[in-house]
Amino acid sequence: AQSVTQPDIHITVSEGASLELRCNYSYGATPYLFWYVQSPGQGLQLLLKYFSGDTLVQGIKGFEAEFKRSQSSFNLRKPSVHWSDAAEYFCAVGDQYGGATNKLIFGTGTLLAVQP
Amino acid sequence: ETGVTQSPTHLIKTRGQQVTLRCSSQSGHNTVSWYQQALGQGPQFIFQYYREEENGRGNFPPRFSGLQFPNYSSELNVNALELDDSALYLCASSWTGGPSYNEQFFGPGTRLTVL
Repeated sequence: AQSVTQPDIHITVSEGASLELRCNYSYGATPYLFWYVQSPGQGLQLLLKYFSGDTLVQGIKGFEAEFKRSQSSFNLRKPSVHWSDAAEYFCAVGDQYGGATNKLIFGTGTLLAVQP
Repeated sequence: ETGVTQSPTHLIKTRGQQVTLRCSSQSGHNTVSWYQQALGQGPQFIFQYYREEENGRGNFPPRFSGLQFPNYSSELNVNALELDDSALYLCASSWTGGPSYNEQFFGPGTRLTVL
């Protein structure tokens, strides 16, 4: 079955430090992969997406992610974290099967805290 | 271009009641998907509507139902509310057509509290 795993429930980093959030997926075909960010009480904002091509994708707010097919991973990175990056981050895979088109399967999220 | 909008923003109901949540899709989109996000969890797919018909459903009971209207807006109805239905309900719109995957765009959500 298709699934997304985010192994880290909660991560704390210092402002200015680098960040890597892990995401592993299980999917039977070429995956469409996404990272979303959610601030408290808010909806989901798309940070970046991978459909095909270059495995290193750039997103908004200085984020990037690398697709590694051999590891079934799509980790999110940022070289220098800002206090405003504190939020919850969700990795998702786009699912084309089971009737619905373009639906998303989400991981359980990683809550990022940023220390001053 | 108008984004996805949802109403109401917040809602409080009691067990056993019924609730209707509304979603207006983004301009140019013909498909609406609904997700439930319980506290501390990732969003879970409820169902999707395309051409005014249900087009795929997640693991949710029949008391979760929906509608899509000719203008592609949508409603999510939940009957016989249970405490566990308390969650953020997210609507997402997308375009269905052609061979490729088309990304979904999310609204701000409706926070439902069941007492």
